[in-house]
Amino acid sequence: RKEVEQDPGPFNVPEGATVAFNCTYSNSASQSFFWYRQDCRKEPKLLMSVYSSGNEDGRFTAQLNRASQYISLLIRDSKLSDSATYLCVVTHGSGNTGKLIFGQGTTLQVKP
Amino acid sequence: SAVISQKPSRDICQRGTSLTIQCQVDSQVTMMFWYRQQPGQSLTLIATANQGSEATYESGFVIDKFPISRPNLTFSTLTVSNMSPEDSSIYLCSVEDRAGGGYGYTFGSGTRLTVV
Repeated sequence: RKEVEQDPGPFNVPEGATVAFNCTYSNSASQSFFWYRQDCRKEPKLLMSVYSSGNEDGRFTAQLNRASQYISLLIRDSKLSDSATYLCVVTHGSGNTGKLIFGQGTTLQVKP
Repeated sequence: SAVISQKPSRDICQRGTSLTIQCQVDSQVTMMFWYRQQPGQSLTLIATANQGSEATYESGFVIDKFPISRPNLTFSTLTVSNMSPEDSSIYLCSVEDRAGGGYGYTFGSGTRLTVV
């Protein structure tokens, strides 16, 4: 079983749609959680950190459920520019050691 | 956020040769991380580089194949040695980034390596 699992998609949605990505992780000692965005042939870029209380940044909302070891990302009012691969990332074990474990990514394609 | 300059951005190399990738950070950082992203795959950690000590390698990666240098707090190199076509990947460095009160990890722009 992979340490971080995501539905690879692709998710094909029209502009303006709301789309949700889910992620599960296997290591209950994981401490930090992130969503990264990766465009084709580019490096991953931090979209948002994920906190236990949930957090929102504009059209993006992230949720963390430690009991279920589940992370989600909600994108509202999708834009064409949201088309990318979204990577669920957790730190390995306890502490912020920088050992990031990446999910395989979920591909989003927003169509006009 | 931290700014990382990584080079080369891409290279095509003959099998059996070695390539050294460099990452320069615009601020001092304790740890630098090296990742590999194979075609169609997500990122996998190769090793963690601390200044003044030997790098710590993840399972499946060894120092003879991927020697790392960390001469100071702003710079690191990763060498891919005795390359084979299976080493064709994107290699990325990363640092912890706490600029602006946030927390995350910033990546270099990556080195796209093709071994022929």
